[in-house]
Formats: sequence, structure tokens, C-alpha cells
Amino acid sequence: NAGVTQTPKFRILKIGQSMTLQCTQDMNHNYMYWYRQDPGMGLKLIYYSVGAGITDKGEVPNGYNVSRSTTEDFPLRLELAAPSQTSVYFCASSLTGEWLTDTQYFGPGTRLTVL
Amino acid sequence: QKEVEQNSGPLSVPEGAIASLNCTYSDRVSQSFFWYRQYSGKSPELIMSIYSNGDKEDGRFTAQLNKASQYVSLLIRDSQPSDSATYLCAVNGGLGGSQGNLIFGKGTKLSVKP
Repeated sequence: NAGVTQTPKFRILKIGQSMTLQCTQDMNHNYMYWYRQDPGMGLKLIYYSVGAGITDKGEVPNGYNVSRSTTEDFPLRLELAAPSQTSVYFCASSLTGEWLTDTQYFGPGTRLTVL
Repeated sequence: QKEVEQNSGPLSVPEGAIASLNCTYSDRVSQSFFWYRQYSGKSPELIMSIYSNGDKEDGRFTAQLNKASQYVSLLIRDSQPSDSATYLCAVNGGLGGSQGNLIFGKGTKLSVKP
């Protein structure tokens, strides 16, 4: 199993451009998450999904969109990129989302710079 | 606004010593607590979870939880240079919520000197 994979690893965008960060998991997990991590900061949840076709906002959803058409894939879309979106983006997945005992597995991250 | 506070460090300990990492949280109803380790430039990985007051031991790691004081800590015994990393404390955001409610602290950077 590859676990959680993310592409691209690095990307530089110009202000106003758009892009999609890809995330795929092969563990048949129901829950998937997108986080951003700014330098010296913890992770902040952008969006999460409890299953195909169901998504919900996290703490910092503005400027982002998501979709979940399959169990495996959970792409994150940035529209009209802004310098404030410069960050490292992590995708994660977990089997049940059960708040007591479930474990989130993280992908390797995408380092995005908006200039 | 629910918050998780950690001392950003860096915390420096000699090899073989005990490293003590601390975390406080603001939401009294939080029920589950997690410690993640993050090496520089890498993704977080879960090392410990704790749900009940008291201590939970796993190898060289011990998590301690005191819900009355809203305090959770991680002890690393016999610290090794390979333990040098940033340790993130995460707290479930509300009773009965899914892990979509995880709130992370900023992390404490640990440096273990040979």
C-alpha cells in the first residue's frame, strides 16, 4: 500500500492563478482531511470529508474548494491564489473518523508558494 | 475559540535524559488527546493517544492526562538524537465530534544532543 499520496510536491503560483492539489489514498478510508501548516505553526483544518459525496468546512475554508467523487480521491482547489495561501498543505485520511480511537495518516505534503 | 497551547521551545536535552513536553487546552469538554511527531520537512505521524486521566505508556513514551487541570504531557525516556523533531499536541474539539474537530498546537521543537 502506498498510503496517502499527494501531488505535486512543490509548486509556485502567481497571484490570481488557480490550481488543484491532488490527494489519493489506497487504504479504503472513509474520512479524508486537508490541512495547511504555516511556518512555525500547527496544522489548521481546511475541509474534510466523511465519505464520497460528503464534505464539510474546517477552521480555514475561505479561498478553497473540495470535492469527493470517489472514496480514494480528495482534491483541493485553490481559486485566485493569494500570498496568504503560501503554506504546506497536508492531506490525511482515517478509517472511521471516530473521535476517540481513530488514527489519521498523513501524506507527504505539498509546498505551495504564491508570488 | 478553542485553543491548544504548547511551549514552542526549542527544548534541548542531553542524550539519555528524560524530555518533558507539555500542552494545555481551553475546551473543558475535550475527550481525546494526541501527540504527533514531525521531523523537519516531513509529515506528522501519530505516536501516542490518550483518553483517560492518568498515565499511558508505550515503550519510551509516556502520555499523562489531567482533565481537571486541562493539561496533557508527553515524557520521552532515554532520549535519543533520533527523537529530535517537533512534537504537536492535538485535541478533539468537542464531545462526540468526529476527528474533523482536531485542534493542533503550534508544536514544541525538541533537540537531543549527543
